[in-house]
Amino acid sequence: GESVGLHLPTLSVQEGDNSIINCAYSNSASDYFIWYKQESGKGPQFIIDIRSNMDKRQGQRVTVLLNKTVKHLSLQIAATQPGDSAVYFCAETPRGQNFVFGPGTRLSVLP
Amino acid sequence: DSGVTQTPKHLITATGQRVTLRCSPRSGDLSVYWYQQSLDQGLQFLIQYYNGEERAKGNILERFSAQQFPDLHSELNLSSLELGDSVLYFCASSVGPTRGDYGYTFGSGTRLTVV
Repeated sequence: GESVGLHLPTLSVQEGDNSIINCAYSNSASDYFIWYKQESGKGPQFIIDIRSNMDKRQGQRVTVLLNKTVKHLSLQIAATQPGDSAVYFCAETPRGQNFVFGPGTRLSVLP
Repeated sequence: DSGVTQTPKHLITATGQRVTLRCSPRSGDLSVYWYQQSLDQGLQFLIQYYNGEERAKGNILERFSAQQFPDLHSELNLSSLELGDSVLYFCASSVGPTRGDYGYTFGSGTRLTVV
């Protein structure tokens, strides 16, 4: 497949461990946030979202945490699997505007 | 399959040439967005169309243009191609004119190689 983001920050985790991917967003007016996953050769795919009236949201094996005070977003993946290996992007948006994407983090799952 | 269709998947052309990338949005989506993705700059927004009209413009070069047709498919035209245009081009779609719930749906991209 195509390689994406060869120069991106990389997080390497052991299979079965938990992963934490961080994102600093820039606009204090942003009130809706999304995490995307991009596998090799594919486009970004929605994982989980959170609105600014929440500070935590859980999905299946994933949790997003939002800290508006320091404009920080994190994605936690429980029991990381080889299929989780991908580039992860956060995206932010204020109401009425388009999404702005972060630079991405490559997650590498070690056997 | 995300429902957003991009063609072609790969395109190889020479410097100075012109190419057209095509995108069909997910059924029911009226907005189409075009992005570039390079190895060191992530997703760079180029342009958005909503229901046939240009809605937002990002860092799109003057030698690039786009349009959205009545059937809502969109084309991105790249002309006077340079080696630096050799990146991935993604199309995304959404229902409304701005952000919507669950964000944008992306296609699988077109890899352009300029030689």
